[in-house]
Amino acid sequence: NAGVTQTPKFQVLKTGQSMTLQCAQDMNHEYMSWYRQDPGMGLRLIHYSVGAGITDQGEVPNGYNVSRSTTEDFPLRLLSAAPSQTSVYFCASSSPQGYIYGYTFGSGTRLTVV
Amino acid sequence: AQKVTQAQTEISVVEKEDVTLDCVYETRDTTYYLFWYKQPPSGELVFLIRRNSFDEQNEISGRYSWNFQKSTSSFNFTITASQVVDSAVYFCALSEAGGGTSYGKLTFGQGTILTVHP
Repeated sequence: NAGVTQTPKFQVLKTGQSMTLQCAQDMNHEYMSWYRQDPGMGLRLIHYSVGAGITDQGEVPNGYNVSRSTTEDFPLRLLSAAPSQTSVYFCASSSPQGYIYGYTFGSGTRLTVV
Repeated sequence: AQKVTQAQTEISVVEKEDVTLDCVYETRDTTYYLFWYKQPPSGELVFLIRRNSFDEQNEISGRYSWNFQKSTSSFNFTITASQVVDSAVYFCALSEAGGGTSYGKLTFGQGTILTVHP
């Protein structure tokens, strides 16, 4: 049982490059989300999805794009990377009652934009 | 809007000392859920505890204990007889009760870096 799988684990990008962070879960969870972790700021919600075909913005959505074509996958796209997007990114999934049954987090992707 | 404040940025203790990590939250919801997560140096997030807004009972799990007080909007975490393996970043988080198309957003505090010296 893999849980939530994030790839890659590490990535270095040049300013202006684009890339996609992958997130896949095998628990049939309806809810998925992306957070970024920055020193002194905790984890902040970027985008979330309550089901296939449904996405919405979180607290810090600018510069990121998401789509949810299947229940299993929720990729995060950086359209034109900026140094301010240097961060650790976490994907999470849960049932609609995640507040009761828990949230499952991936192991994170450490992104550096130079 | 929800907010979680962990005022202690870093705490340093010597092994076997007791240490309390503070967490203060703000929410307008009457139903909400509070969490503590541990992030060891390896980077993953480890779930420690969840408490709902209707359950103010304190909880003890081994060397860990949690004190939830709605009157002061606090959910503090105490480690008794700390060990080097407790060194980590600890996050307090608050979730509203979602469901359907309403996403139960998880709001994190800034985190407290705990270092336990041998």
